[in-house]
Amino acid sequence: AQSVAQPEDQVNVAEGNPLTVKCTYSVSGNPYLFWYVQYPNRGLQFLLKYITGDNLVKGSYGFEAEFNKSQTSFHLKKPSALVSDSALYFCAVRDNTGGSTLGRLYFGRGTQLTVWP
Amino acid sequence: SAVISQKPSRDICQRGTSLTIQCQVDSQVTMMFWYRQQPGQSLTLIATANQGSEATYESGFVIDKFPISRPNLTFSTLTVSNMSPEDSSIYLCSESGSPYNEQFFGPGTRLTVL
Repeated sequence: AQSVAQPEDQVNVAEGNPLTVKCTYSVSGNPYLFWYVQYPNRGLQFLLKYITGDNLVKGSYGFEAEFNKSQTSFHLKKPSALVSDSALYFCAVRDNTGGSTLGRLYFGRGTQLTVWP
Repeated sequence: SAVISQKPSRDICQRGTSLTIQCQVDSQVTMMFWYRQQPGQSLTLIATANQGSEATYESGFVIDKFPISRPNLTFSTLTVSNMSPEDSSIYLCSESGSPYNEQFFGPGTRLTVL
């Protein structure tokens, strides 16, 4: 079965500092991994994905993530945090095993990122 | 990229009543998904909605409580029946995209049951 773990409920970082939001996964087959962001009273917005290819993927708003197969991790990173990055971040893995659940996403519990000025 | 709209965006309902949430996609998609996000929680899949067949429900969710319709490839509805305060959540729909593309989500319906 597919699953995702986000070990931190909250991450706090000062503006201008680098940030990391952690995610580890467990999948059958090749991992299709995603990061989404949710701002207050908003839906989920796609940030980036890893399907295949380079382990370092770049996404929206200056975010990037590093896929590490040996550590089964897909940590979200940004070199310099902004106050406006404060939001709830979800890591997700896609079910590609087939059957009736093909395409569904399994989400981590979310990490609240707070960037303080 | 797909654009998904949901109606209503929010509602406040009385216990025991039902609410139908609509989800419209601007392109034809094979599968649509309905998720629930309870306050302070992650997203939980309610069901997968396929056009022309009955929805597939996840463990803990039943058709009598959450009936789903999927009349065509761009539209789906989720009904929350006989509501109780425990149903207060954000309900989101999404579409399957392709195996290599990201999944897009609607803006969500924020439901409060009194």
